[in-house]
Amino acid sequence: AQSVTQPDIHITVSEGASLELRCNYSYGATPYLFWYVQSPGQGLQLLLKYFSGDTLVQGIKGFEAEFKRSQSSFNLRKPSVHWSDAAEYFCAVGTTDKLIFGTGTRLQVFP
Amino acid sequence: GAGVSQTPSNKVTEKGKYVELRCDPISGHTALYWYRQSLGQGPEFLIYFQGTGAADDSGLPNDRFFAVRPEGSVSTLKIQRTERGDSAVYLCASSSLGGEGDTQYFGPGTRLTVL
Repeated sequence: AQSVTQPDIHITVSEGASLELRCNYSYGATPYLFWYVQSPGQGLQLLLKYFSGDTLVQGIKGFEAEFKRSQSSFNLRKPSVHWSDAAEYFCAVGTTDKLIFGTGTRLQVFP
Repeated sequence: GAGVSQTPSNKVTEKGKYVELRCDPISGHTALYWYRQSLGQGPEFLIYFQGTGAADDSGLPNDRFFAVRPEGSVSTLKIQRTERGDSAVYLCASSSLGGEGDTQYFGPGTRLTVL
């Protein structure tokens, strides 16, 4: 069955520190993978997506993600976190007619 | 350009009542999706429209839920005989053509509270 797992429910980092949010997927074919961010009271905003080709994908707001087929992972990274990055982050896999989301990781940033 | 809009932003209703939630997709987008997000969870798929027709409604939890998109643009999600378990944020998304690689753009959601 198709699924997405985000093992970390809540992560806390200091401003300026590096960040890695984990995502593992289960999908029968080559997946289409997405990372979305959701701020309080806001809709989901696309950070980046992977379809094929280069396994390191650059997104908005300084985020990047790396697709690793051997590990079925698509982890999100940022070298230096800003206080405004505090939000909920969702990894998703795209199927023919829907997105399947993970349960999300809440990021808290301390000054 | 304008993004996906949803109305109302908040809806409070009593158990057993009927509610309608509206979604205005990005102009020109043929694909429209409804998701439901419960507290502490990721969005869960409800239904997908391609044009006016429901291409996949496998996520609708039961026959109290129904959605329409009569002119291929605006969509309405309808919930009959609401139950407390229906309380959630209902998200609408649209994409240009649909399909697994097409980016879905989300609206801000409607928070439904059933008392």
